[in-house]
Amino acid sequence: GEDVEQSLFLSVREGDSSVINCTYTDSSSTYLYWYKQEPGAGLQLLTYIFSNMDMKQDQRLTVLLNKKDKHLSLRIADTQTGDSAIYFCAETQLTGGGNKLTFGTGTQLKVEL
Amino acid sequence: GAVVSQHPSWVICKSGTSVKIECRSLDFQATTMFWYRQFPKQSLMLMATSNEGSKATYEQGVEKDKFLINHASLTLSTLTVTSAHPEDSSFYICSPKENEQYFGPGTRLTVT
Repeated sequence: GEDVEQSLFLSVREGDSSVINCTYTDSSSTYLYWYKQEPGAGLQLLTYIFSNMDMKQDQRLTVLLNKKDKHLSLRIADTQTGDSAIYFCAETQLTGGGNKLTFGTGTQLKVEL
Repeated sequence: GAVVSQHPSWVICKSGTSVKIECRSLDFQATTMFWYRQFPKQSLMLMATSNEGSKATYEQGVEKDKFLINHASLTLSTLTVTSAHPEDSSFYICSPKENEQYFGPGTRLTVT
């Protein structure tokens, strides 16, 4: 099956780094994504990484991929109150029917002053 | 600006009635649209895939006669929840296959 697991909740202080973890089971994943969802809103793509990469950095965001352990993480440097949201990882596989996304269970990030 | 819009953004309906949700691609043509459902405090689950000019495909466990999907043009896909029940209350989100970056803002459906 295709299961993508995340821890449910993370609380950090403003200015600290946040690390959100994700484990997946499908080794054929081609791309892995991180999305942010604010209350009552749709999803915002934050960043993505191709499966043959180990790391990708984009401003305050760093994505690490351990393909052997099927582990993905998102590090947010200098976390701000505006970063409070739910974060979803997602994997996609290129199939005959086209790319399909399987989302993780979501991690709620709370940033405290 | 937004490249995928949904209408309505929220709707409250009575049990037994039908509700239509529209998903429009604004700046590009979408041949395929994914429809997701998100229950409170849960992740997004793919319900179905609409294909322009052909039948939609449904994920296992999703009733095709209850969730009617129409993709009549390259810019419009609709999801109709027929004979809605309280358990259909959820957040419905569309996303074009052509670009996983884009998601609609979602439609909050509440069935009373």
